[in-house]
Amino acid sequence: DQQVKQNSPSLSVQEGRISILNCDYTNSMFDYFLWYKKYPAEGPTFLISISSIKDKNEDGRFTVFLNKSAKHLSLHIVPSQPGDSAVYFCAASSGAQKLVFGQGTRLTINP
Amino acid sequence: DAMVIQNPRYQVTQFGKPVTLSCSQTLNHNVMYWYQQKSSQAPKLLFHYYDKDFNNEADTPDNFQSRRPNTSFCFLDIRSPGLGDAAMYLCATSRVTDTQYFGPGTRLTVL
Repeated sequence: DQQVKQNSPSLSVQEGRISILNCDYTNSMFDYFLWYKKYPAEGPTFLISISSIKDKNEDGRFTVFLNKSAKHLSLHIVPSQPGDSAVYFCAASSGAQKLVFGQGTRLTINP
Repeated sequence: DAMVIQNPRYQVTQFGKPVTLSCSQTLNHNVMYWYQQKSSQAPKLLFHYYDKDFNNEADTPDNFQSRRPNTSFCFLDIRSPGLGDAAMYLCATSRVTDTQYFGPGTRLTVL
C-alpha cells in the first residue's frame, strides 16, 4: 500500500526551462509535505516544505504547490540548472513525525 | 555548522558478522531516526527515538537494534547481517514537529 507515489521515475529537462515534479498521496490525514533532493552516495537534503493549510510555498527557484482536493503536490524548479540533476523524493507526514516517502524521480538537466 | 554525521561512510562486513553504524548530531534535536534505503527505492523507516523513547516499526526485523546513549548519538546494530541487508543506512534528526535532516548515509556491503 503505497501512500505516496511519484509516478515518473525519471524526467529530462533542458537547462533554463521549468522542471515540474509530481507527487500523489492517498492518506487524507497527511498535513505536512516535503521535497528532498538526493545526490548519489549522499543523504537526502531538505529542499522545501508545505503545510496543508497552504496551497503554495516559494523559496527562490523552487515552488511547491499543494492541491488537497486532488491529493497532489508538485515541485516547480525555474529556471532549471545542471546542478539540479539529482533524485527528488516527496514525503508526507501526519503530525506524528513519521515521514512516508515516494519512490523518487530522477531529474536530469541537459545543457 | 550544525549537522548530522554518520560514520563510517562505507562499511564492509561478512555474512553473519555483527556490525554497528553510528550517527551523531550537533542540532540538539529530540528525535533521531534510522532508515534503510535500497537502490531505486524510497527510504524505509526502521525505528526512531523520541528523546529516550524507542519506537520500532512493525516490520523491522529483529536483527536490527538501536541504542541512543545520549541526545547526540544514536547507533544501529545489525546482529547477523545477511546479503539482503546490504543497503544505504540513513540517520535523520528533527525537533518534535519539524523537518527531518539527514546525514550523508553509510553504505553497507555484506560479503
